Amino acid sequence: DAKTTQPNSMESNEEEPVHLPCNHSTISGTDYIHWYRQLPSQGPEYVIHGLTSNVNNRMASLAIAEDRKSSTLILHRATLRDAAVYYCILRDVSGSARQLTFGSGTQLTVLP
Amino acid sequence: DGGITQSPKYLFRKEGQNVTLSCEQNLNHDAMYWYRQDPGQGLRLIYYSQIVNDFQKGDIAEGYSVSREKKESFPLTVTSAQKNPTAFYLCASSIEPLRGNQPQHFGDGTRLSIL
Repeated sequence: DAKTTQPNSMESNEEEPVHLPCNHSTISGTDYIHWYRQLPSQGPEYVIHGLTSNVNNRMASLAIAEDRKSSTLILHRATLRDAAVYYCILRDVSGSARQLTFGSGTQLTVLP
Repeated sequence: DGGITQSPKYLFRKEGQNVTLSCEQNLNHDAMYWYRQDPGQGLRLIYYSQIVNDFQKGDIAEGYSVSREKKESFPLTVTSAQKNPTAFYLCASSIEPLRGNQPQHFGDGTRLSIL
């Protein structure tokens, strides 16, 4: 699987937007970009995914660079409940995408 | 609400004992997965199932066994052969197996410890 690189940690103030970056310079044309988050002692939660175009859902927005070598997860107004580890993952749509491979992720701290 | 239910939340195993972790989903998903997560680590795949009565080993299947007799259920047994079972176990499901554009949905996990 192609590798992703994320900052180890980020901080944000409550009610401000948060931009979480992810680099994936070796992404292939059939890789989808997925984001998950995990709160302490809970299972990962799916956030959003996309292929080429920017995506929006009720939780977040995903901005994908034109060359697809990087992407940004955008939380429009951070709340204390958004404090979690955020994982950026690539999954091949064409082949044996049987499992999720999590890197170390970004620990997001939200300050009140 | 649809989702994945794992039980128990906490489990303790004695030496030489087999224990079974329950995973039930009402999402009507075909594919189900078991992962293990160690402190500060990512997920490692133990077993996965694409359809009822079928399952395949993941990367760390030794010392574990599964069954998939019903679409909704995918229990994991941690056998005495698993010498280091202390971990956080996560069950997941997805609509279709092996498709990269399908998200996986997770339960809240079972934390297994050795007595």
